[in-house]
Amino acid sequence: QSALTQPRSVSGSPGQSVTISCTGTNSDVGEYDYVSWYQHHPDKAPKLIIFDVIQRPSGVPDRFSGSKSGNTASLTISGLQAEDEAAYFCCSFAGDYSWVLGGGTKLTVL
Amino acid sequence: EVELLESGGKMEQSGGSLRLSCAASGFTFHSHAMSWVRQTPGQGLEWLSAIVGSGDRTYYADSVKGRFTISRDNSANTLFLQMSNLRVEDTAVYYCARWHFSDYYHDYWGQGTLVTVSS
Repeated sequence: QSALTQPRSVSGSPGQSVTISCTGTNSDVGEYDYVSWYQHHPDKAPKLIIFDVIQRPSGVPDRFSGSKSGNTASLTISGLQAEDEAAYFCCSFAGDYSWVLGGGTKLTVL
Repeated sequence: EVELLESGGKMEQSGGSLRLSCAASGFTFHSHAMSWVRQTPGQGLEWLSAIVGSGDRTYYADSVKGRFTISRDNSANTLFLQMSNLRVEDTAVYYCARWHFSDYYHDYWGQGTLVTVSS
């Protein structure tokens, strides 16, 4: 069982928006603004798409956005594109130089 | 371009040992802390261990403390994970990741190496 809870799968049609939730506790997601999100295509290295809850690394399209409310962080992908089909996982700092991660969510672009 | 390439994963018997390596390139290796993370089938991802750039401070998840040892060779730009007393539940894909030390996220990951532990 992963420390952070994510839905196993979400889906959306091209052009639509989807939101992936990531629920932790008040010891990780709720305590720190250090939630990051990763896009993971099969047989490739995971790619950072959001850090510090809302920040986007350079080169990541602004279609990707992050937010947090209480113990739940969320990743929203707007204007879905076929290449967005991948697994997405969240990660939160949990204090004492440790991290917790989610189980991953498979995004299907219909 | 930052690249991280894991190796050393294979099938091993329960109780055995294994050493994973992560070859780094494209950045000043000794300036960056590094982590190991694993993904088990159906269990999601788990952070295992981290080491600062100099190698003199290490951190472990409770689940692997005492069984796994993280280390690095900055002269060879390589990160290691020594795994001992392997258990079936250690079966996973193991990733190395670069820790953005001035913050608390991992900015680059490798593609992973598969470890399978048989009973």
